[in-house]
Amino acid sequence: AQSVTQLGSHVSVSEGALVLLRCNYSSSVPPYLFWYVQYPNQGLQLLLKYTTGATLVKGINGFEAEFKKSETSFHLTKPSAHMSDAAEYFCAVSDKGSSNTGKLIFGQGTTLQVKP
Amino acid sequence: GAGVSQSPRYKVTKRGQDVTLRCDPISSHATLYWYQQALGQGPEFLTYFNYEAQPDKSGLPSDRFSAERPEGSISTLTIQRTEQRDSAMYRCASSLDPAGGSAGELFFGEGSRLTVL
Repeated sequence: AQSVTQLGSHVSVSEGALVLLRCNYSSSVPPYLFWYVQYPNQGLQLLLKYTTGATLVKGINGFEAEFKKSETSFHLTKPSAHMSDAAEYFCAVSDKGSSNTGKLIFGQGTTLQVKP
Repeated sequence: GAGVSQSPRYKVTKRGQDVTLRCDPISSHATLYWYQQALGQGPEFLTYFNYEAQPDKSGLPSDRFSAERPEGSISTLTIQRTEQRDSAMYRCASSLDPAGGSAGELFFGEGSRLTVL
């Protein structure tokens, strides 16, 4: 069965600093991996996804993530944090290829705080 | 519609009452998912629909929870005899591709926050 672990429930960075949110996954099949962002009082919004091909994927708002099979990781990064990046971030793996429902299994989330 | 719409946005109820939550997915989206999100946790899968079929109910916590999508569009999630532990955000998402297609993006609604007193 697939699972996702996000290291650190809260991350605090200064504006302009590097953002690094960690995600490790467990999957018995080649995974499809996602990062979603949740702003206050809004629904989850897709940041980026990895399915196949290039292991470095770029998403919206300057975020990117790298799929590392050997490390079973899919960490999210952004070179320079902006105040508007403050939100909750969820890493998720799709069960496509196993039970093939397309449902997502989410990590517990990481709250990003950006300090001025 | 333009996006996934959920109602009510907020629901406060007393223990033992029944509650029905509604989800209106993006038009023509084949697949619809229900998730439960407790405070401080990630969303947890409850059930999903492929059009009107409901192939997977494995995430429903008990038989007090049921969902339907009779015409393959709008879906409802009903919780009977609510308990305090049912308090959570209930999120609906839809996807263009039927489950089994490509790894399509899930589009989420804003959620329905349920509080059981």
